[in-house]
Amino acid sequence: AQSVSQHNHHVILSEAASLELGCNYSYGGTVNLFWYVQYPGQHLQLLLKYFSGDPLVKGIKGFEAEFIKSKFSFNLRKPSVQWSDTAEYFCAVNAIHNQGGKLIFGQGTELSVKP
Amino acid sequence: GAGVSQSPSNKVTEKGKDVELRCDPISGHTALYWYRQSLGQGLEFLIYFQGNSAPDKSGLPSDRFSAERTGGSVSTLTIQRTQQEDSAVYLCASSLMGGSDTQYFGPGTRLTVL
Repeated sequence: AQSVSQHNHHVILSEAASLELGCNYSYGGTVNLFWYVQYPGQHLQLLLKYFSGDPLVKGIKGFEAEFIKSKFSFNLRKPSVQWSDTAEYFCAVNAIHNQGGKLIFGQGTELSVKP
Repeated sequence: GAGVSQSPSNKVTEKGKDVELRCDPISGHTALYWYRQSLGQGLEFLIYFQGNSAPDKSGLPSDRFSAERTGGSVSTLTIQRTQQEDSAVYLCASSLMGGSDTQYFGPGTRLTVL
């Protein structure tokens, strides 16, 4: 069965620090990859997604992620975090050929940014 | 426009009772998903409806769980004979065409089984 692993459960950073959140998945076929974010008290919302093409994907609020197929990874990055980035971040995978639209999520990473 | 809405926002019930959770997807979206978010299990897929096709029920944890989608729009998730381990936030999402389309999530229903 497919699975998604996020390496960090809780990350604490100071404002202006750089961020990298790890995500690895297990599936040998073609995948679509997503990062979702859940701000305190808000819905899950899409941060960015990769379907095909350029493996470096840019999303909202200055976030980007790089798909490295050989490493089955889709790490999320931001060069300089802000206090407003405090949230929980979820990596998700959709295995195209046999899963329909269902998403398999990682366990989530809670990011706390200190002002 | 309006997003995905879910009701109730909170539901407290006693063990053994049945509950119904409702989801109103974004108008025009053909695909609808239910997920469950709990402390021990993270975010888990439950069920997926796409147009008139048979739903993908592969994520339902037991036969106490069922869902239907009437008229290709509103969906109801029913949990019979609730157990304490059913306590979680139940999330609904919809997408325009299903498959790889972006899923838009609702606010969730927090279910507490006493």
